[in-house]
Amino acid sequence: QQQVKQSPQSLIVQKGGISIINCAYENTAFDYFPWYQQFPGKGPALLIAIRPDVSEKKEGRFTISFNKSAKQFSLHIMDSQPGDSATYFCAANGSGNTPLVFGKGTRLSVIA
Amino acid sequence: DTAVSQTPKYLVTQMGNDKSIKCEQNLGHDTMYWYKQDSKKFLKIMFSYNNKELIINETVPNRFSPKSPDKAHLNLHINSLELGDSAVYFCASSPRGTAWEGYTFGSGTRLTVV
Repeated sequence: QQQVKQSPQSLIVQKGGISIINCAYENTAFDYFPWYQQFPGKGPALLIAIRPDVSEKKEGRFTISFNKSAKQFSLHIMDSQPGDSATYFCAANGSGNTPLVFGKGTRLSVIA
Repeated sequence: DTAVSQTPKYLVTQMGNDKSIKCEQNLGHDTMYWYKQDSKKFLKIMFSYNNKELIINETVPNRFSPKSPDKAHLNLHINSLELGDSAVYFCASSPRGTAWEGYTFGSGTRLTVV
């Protein structure tokens, strides 16, 4: 059973455009929702994260929007650049020692 | 100075062999993990260790055996390798067993079983 569902599987965006990746979860015990960025041949790296007590978090060109009632959260990349081309993973976990569960990833390609 | 280092980076071996992957972190983190990333990029937790003790053991064949000699090291030994074990294996660490300060991942070990 997949605990975090991510879409789309792949995304092509023009340079300067907005990239939007969506995730949905079922487990109401989840209380931490990070996004990870992975470049080819590298491990995933934390990009931005949000707790459910806020509806939005912005860091530079990256914004997480969180909808607790719908159990959904999304990543918005403003002014997308070719250097943003990577695989993006949403993730979630609850308190204690429960490890992160990841979505299946979105391969983003930003074309000039 | 690499924070989470894995060796080897690539591993090609025949079916039925036994192999090990090593992981070391110099971040002072208490918790370490093994994740498996399949050909479709899906990241799945295999094991979680907190200060040398096994915390999580997901549904993983018992051919996979993790070993943590100290909290800075988490190795993965795989017996009787099968074709389906081919994947990229990532080691990660986090402080105090929480994800809130982020996981730090190694660069992965690409295992190919032929």
